[in-house]
Amino acid sequence: QKEVEQDPGPLSVPEGAIVSLNCTYSNSAFQYFMWYRQYSRKGPELLMYTYSSGNKEDGRFTAQVDKSSKYISLFIRDSQPSDSATYLCAMSGEAAGNKLTFGGGTRVLVKP
Amino acid sequence: EAQVTQNPRYLITVTGKKLTVTCSQNMNHEYMSWYRQDPGLGLRQIYYSMNVEVTDKGDVPEGYKVSRKEKRNFPLILESPSPNQTSLYFCASSPVRGLYGYTFGSGTRLTVV
Repeated sequence: QKEVEQDPGPLSVPEGAIVSLNCTYSNSAFQYFMWYRQYSRKGPELLMYTYSSGNKEDGRFTAQVDKSSKYISLFIRDSQPSDSATYLCAMSGEAAGNKLTFGGGTRVLVKP
Repeated sequence: EAQVTQNPRYLITVTGKKLTVTCSQNMNHEYMSWYRQDPGLGLRQIYYSMNVEVTDKGDVPEGYKVSRKEKRNFPLILESPSPNQTSLYFCASSPVRGLYGYTFGSGTRLTVV
């Protein structure tokens, strides 16, 4: 079993819909949680960074962490075709050796 | 502009011919790392460096070498490439390992025939 599980998709939504992405993990030592966006033929870019449990909002993006359930989510409101990309979750923690562990990524398609 | 620069972007080579992929960052980051990305396997860490002259193996180090003689540069060396090293490679850097977002390069698409 992988340490971080992420549905590969693809997830296809109409423009303007809410995109809901999630990851589950098994290592309770993870404390830092990130979401990256990766466009085709590009490197991943950091979207959201959160520490421990709770919510964080940045524009159309909201990240949620539920450490008790070992579950993290990313919501994209008012989705645009330019949001079409692969979204990778990643997590780390001092007790996990500070190694950044990635999910496999979810491919998202936002159709005009 | 803060960035990680990889070269080349695309490379086709033959089995056994030594090659080097360069990586340079302009953010004065101490931590640098190499990943390979393959369909269905995601991002896997090859090597990482905590600082100058400090390197260590990641999850898939076989067939690769690295060096960190200067803070800004972290080249990836394939001394005898094989077809199973055909992949998309990314260099990344961060102020500290694992605790902040990583900045990734644009990638190097390597094909070994």
